[in-house]
Amino acid sequence: GAVVSQHPSWVICKSGTSVKIECRSLDFQATTMFWYRQFPKQSLMLMATSNEGSKATYEQGVEKDKFLINHASLTLSTLTVTSAHPEDSSFYICSASAEGSGSNEQFFGPGTRLTVL
Amino acid sequence: QKEVEQDPGPLSVPEGAIVSLNCTYSNSAFQYFMWYRQYSRKGPELLMYTYSSGNKEDGRFTAQVDKSSKYISLFIRDSQPSDSATYLCATLSWGAQKLVFGQGTRLTINP
Repeated sequence: GAVVSQHPSWVICKSGTSVKIECRSLDFQATTMFWYRQFPKQSLMLMATSNEGSKATYEQGVEKDKFLINHASLTLSTLTVTSAHPEDSSFYICSASAEGSGSNEQFFGPGTRLTVL
Repeated sequence: QKEVEQDPGPLSVPEGAIVSLNCTYSNSAFQYFMWYRQYSRKGPELLMYTYSSGNKEDGRFTAQVDKSSKYISLFIRDSQPSDSATYLCATLSWGAQKLVFGQGTRLTINP
């Protein structure tokens, strides 16, 4: 099946620093990638939808200047949390849709746990 | 009212029991229905994907969709401790990209 990877799997940073999370589709081309955040014992909350070569579409209430998303190629999307603060600590998960598959199935990455001190 | 309602549990059953997980939805535009399994500190894994009313079986898992009642279910037969996880239902409208998730049900299978 289609595989999506994320790096790093776990990151700890100081308040005020920026953190970049990578999401890669390993064996397929993903025209669309999605970024979610998940708090403990809660469901996934969509942050933004990213299409290759265009600006991301952010969900209501998500600060686009704080959560920078870049989808520069069909296999890579990045999420940068700028000037991170403790309230940004969460589990960030990406997913990807395969181009031309005829299916709208999303394949999820393993997630990145961000802890901001 | 949330578009997709799912009892968060927790649900605890003995090994070997049949597990029934359920979601209801309110939007008639939803055409695709998925069940994801998520282990602790991991990303969701797709278990079942259906787009029509009726049953779909895959091994010990059966997904059931009743569009007239806007009700979806996942049944797990001969449950195993390795099935202990959070199960998320999700729906999608035709032509849409954005998945709508339920809250997730935490399931524990006791040996």
